Amino acid sequence: DQQVKQNSPSLSVQEGRISILNCDYTNSMFDYFLWYKKYPAEGPTFLISISSIKDKNEDGRFTVFLNKSAKHLSLHIVPSQPGDSAVYFCAARQFGSSNTGKLIFGQGTTLQVKP
Amino acid sequence: NAGVMQNPRHLVRRRGQEARLRCSPMKGHSHVYWYRQLPEEGLKFMVYLQKENIIDESGMPKERFSAEFPKEGPSILRIQQVVRGDSAAYFCASSPAVAEPQHFGDGTRLSIL
Repeated sequence: DQQVKQNSPSLSVQEGRISILNCDYTNSMFDYFLWYKKYPAEGPTFLISISSIKDKNEDGRFTVFLNKSAKHLSLHIVPSQPGDSAVYFCAARQFGSSNTGKLIFGQGTTLQVKP
Repeated sequence: NAGVMQNPRHLVRRRGQEARLRCSPMKGHSHVYWYRQLPEEGLKFMVYLQKENIIDESGMPKERFSAEFPKEGPSILRIQQVVRGDSAAYFCASSPAVAEPQHFGDGTRLSIL
């Protein structure tokens, strides 16, 4: 049962353009969402997060949008740079009463930014 | 670099041996999480620990796997009697509080011969 899905295995964009990475989830109890970037042979690096009480969070070139009714979130990178080429993971957490930091990850989307 | 430190980076074991993976959290972080990534898949949660306590082990296989986070020293993920299916990248993460974002180490790549 895949509660967090990233349906696009890969994405290719031109340097300077916008990259949009998408993520869908099925569990309406998720209250916190995160995006991580991962280079080969390294661990995931935290990028940006959003609470379920918000619909947008921005940090520099990175913006995350949350549409709770559609159970969908997206990560926008503007402008895209070749160094952004990596695998991007969407993750979700159901905090609530369980008091666990357990993250549920999507399968990842490989972003390639072409010079 | 005061990030999450995992060792060894690579570990090779024969079937039936034991594997011990170590994780030192970031300074000031008392919450530790272990995840496993199989090839071509996302990370799967295994266990969440605070100092000396296992808080959530819902992702741990029922047999052969155990984890600890002692009062002194690193967190240890222990796999007994390893099998080929245990081959994966094992990532440790830490956070200063359970509601804060988790920061990951570079992982241990376990290969079973």
